[in-house]
Amino acid sequence: GEDVEQSLFLSVREGDSSVINCTYTDSSSTYLYWYKQEPGAGLQLLTYIFSNMDMKQDQRLTVLLNKKDKHLSLRIADTQTGDSAIYFCAEIYNRDDKIIFGKGTRLHILP
Amino acid sequence: GAVVSQHPSRVICKSGTSVKIECRSLDFQATTMFWYRQFPKQSLMLMATSNEGSKATYEQGVEKDKFLINHASLTLSTLTVTSAHPEDSSFYICSARTGGLSYNEQFFGPGTRLTVL
Repeated sequence: GEDVEQSLFLSVREGDSSVINCTYTDSSSTYLYWYKQEPGAGLQLLTYIFSNMDMKQDQRLTVLLNKKDKHLSLRIADTQTGDSAIYFCAEIYNRDDKIIFGKGTRLHILP
Repeated sequence: GAVVSQHPSRVICKSGTSVKIECRSLDFQATTMFWYRQFPKQSLMLMATSNEGSKATYEQGVEKDKFLINHASLTLSTLTVTSAHPEDSSFYICSARTGGLSYNEQFFGPGTRLTVL
């Protein structure tokens, strides 16, 4: 079955880069996503990458995709206190067009 | 940008009562809406997918008679938790998809915190 795995917790000093990793199982996924959830709120799409791309950069965000290893990462440069949130990796499961979410990585910013 | 609202944001009810949660797409027409449930420190669990004018498709293990979904228009879907029990307490999130975007983006509502006493 489909599955998306990611580490549950990451602690980073303010100003450093944060790298959140994710692995997925559906090799036919068309799109892979990173969502951000702040406390008590819904999900906000941060960025997405099409499966035929290796990298996508958007301001402080860099997404790397390794299709061979089914590995996705999100790098946040110059991490700020406002980046403190839970980050969900997700893939679209092409068989029935559903989005499958990982359990989320809680990013904690150290002063 | 596309905005999805949910109402109420927070509800407390007694065991045995029914609770209705509304999900609205404010500035676009949503061909498909999704209902998720999120437990503390857990991922989102898809409960059901609803298309306007047709019956919702429920995920395995989700009781359709307990979680009634109505998608009466292209901008409104409702989830009714019938005969709520404490184990139904959770964070319910809806999302909407317009179908016009190439990357299948779902726009999420802010969520509804349900507490059943």
